[in-house]
Amino acid sequence: GAGVSQSPSNKVTEKGKDVELRCDPISGHTALYWYRQSLGQGLEFLIYFQGNSAPDKSGLPSDRFSAERTGGSVSTLTIQRTQQEDSAVYLCASSLGGSLSEQYFGPGTRLTVT
Amino acid sequence: AQSVSQHNHHVILSEAASLELGCNYSYGGTVNLFWYVQYPGQHLQLLLKYFSGDPLVKGIKGFEAEFIKSKFSFNLRKPSVQWSDTAEYFCAVNARRGSTLGRLYFGRGTQLTVWP
Repeated sequence: GAGVSQSPSNKVTEKGKDVELRCDPISGHTALYWYRQSLGQGLEFLIYFQGNSAPDKSGLPSDRFSAERTGGSVSTLTIQRTQQEDSAVYLCASSLGGSLSEQYFGPGTRLTVT
Repeated sequence: AQSVSQHNHHVILSEAASLELGCNYSYGGTVNLFWYVQYPGQHLQLLLKYFSGDPLVKGIKGFEAEFIKSKFSFNLRKPSVQWSDTAEYFCAVNARRGSTLGRLYFGRGTQLTVWP
């Protein structure tokens, strides 16, 4: 596609439920990133996939958060047992990889935990 | 760890006024620098970037930024703003190498409001 796509665009869930957020990167981009944007914390890094390397998970806030990337393309971010503090916009970005590349962002998934 | 500071949280200008948004970062190694913009209801878009070379970089829509290495700064400028520049602006940094390679560190953002 022309850009990074994410689904769903909005998700409302009850506290304690699991949610899955999906990201489709730009075709040919080997690097994929997840960020979270919230009023209190601004934009914060969550996880980074580069090709077939082990992902950099150091930004995940708790073990309730996990992500996978299948076939080097689509990625899914899973949040188990959601809490109200998980409410935020979850952003996905992709890039060509390497140390000199810019990241292109998707529209985000707005998650609301009630 | 790297950090990025944006000095202005909310800037209000009239059309045709000049704009300068401050950004400072802390990191001892070589970095890439970016400004992203988020228009109302839209997603983050790249405004401009600095990797190397001429420290004065030009981006889209008449924006430019100057990298001053000695001051760890990457301020955004525009000589004459328009109502359509109303948006939130984010400064971001990432490392060229090391354990944090790739990940972007963002400032808290500056909301720019331009009155017609």
